[in-house]
Amino acid sequence: ETGVTQTPRHLVMGMTNKKSLKCEQHLGHNAMYWYKQSAKKPLELMFVYSLEERVENNSVPSRFSPECPNSSHLFLHLHTLQPEDSALYLCASSQQSGLNTGELFFGEGSRLTVL
Amino acid sequence: AQKVTQAQTEISVVEKEDVTLDCVYETRDTTYYLFWYKQPPSGELVFLIRRNSFDEQNEISGRYSWNFQKSTSSFNFTITASQVVDSAVYFCALSGTDTGGGNKLTFGTGTQLKVEL
Repeated sequence: ETGVTQTPRHLVMGMTNKKSLKCEQHLGHNAMYWYKQSAKKPLELMFVYSLEERVENNSVPSRFSPECPNSSHLFLHLHTLQPEDSALYLCASSQQSGLNTGELFFGEGSRLTVL
Repeated sequence: AQKVTQAQTEISVVEKEDVTLDCVYETRDTTYYLFWYKQPPSGELVFLIRRNSFDEQNEISGRYSWNFQKSTSSFNFTITASQVVDSAVYFCALSGTDTGGGNKLTFGTGTQLKVEL
């Protein structure tokens, strides 16, 4: 069982819906991430939280809104999405040491379909 | 800017064959880290290896081996005697020395490996 849990695993929503993706890590890490995985594209880093502060927002449209209430939980709030936002959204965590050594631990992803 | 290129989109082999997955990277950092991740059908990316830019020794772990060549900016991954359970998408990734917070990886597009009986 992975140390990073994502819910829901599958989500279908209309363009006017509001939904949220949830991520929880049980590894005691202090950094959490949202990545977007679309077909035939590299994984795209969306948001990074380190010590519960947002440290990266890679020009992500405002219809995606992250929230990190504590070091174990990360949310991605979705509002007024477009069909091209359909993708696998992966959450990851790591222990931030300042040396940028990687080793992210990923969840199984939330498969989002926007109709 | 950093970039990772995995030119092989899909590879199919027969079980017990050896297979090499290619990875070429670009970075201006003098200190950086290279990674390989495996993504099985279940979706989560599984960490396989991390290599820093100062360590060019090849590494072997069971049936897996990695060849890091700084001169050609490559970090290739070989699976010896492939098995059906090796079927997955494999991602090469690169991180630099941006200490602005978080470990930000740049991923390649992945190589889909199919191992058939």
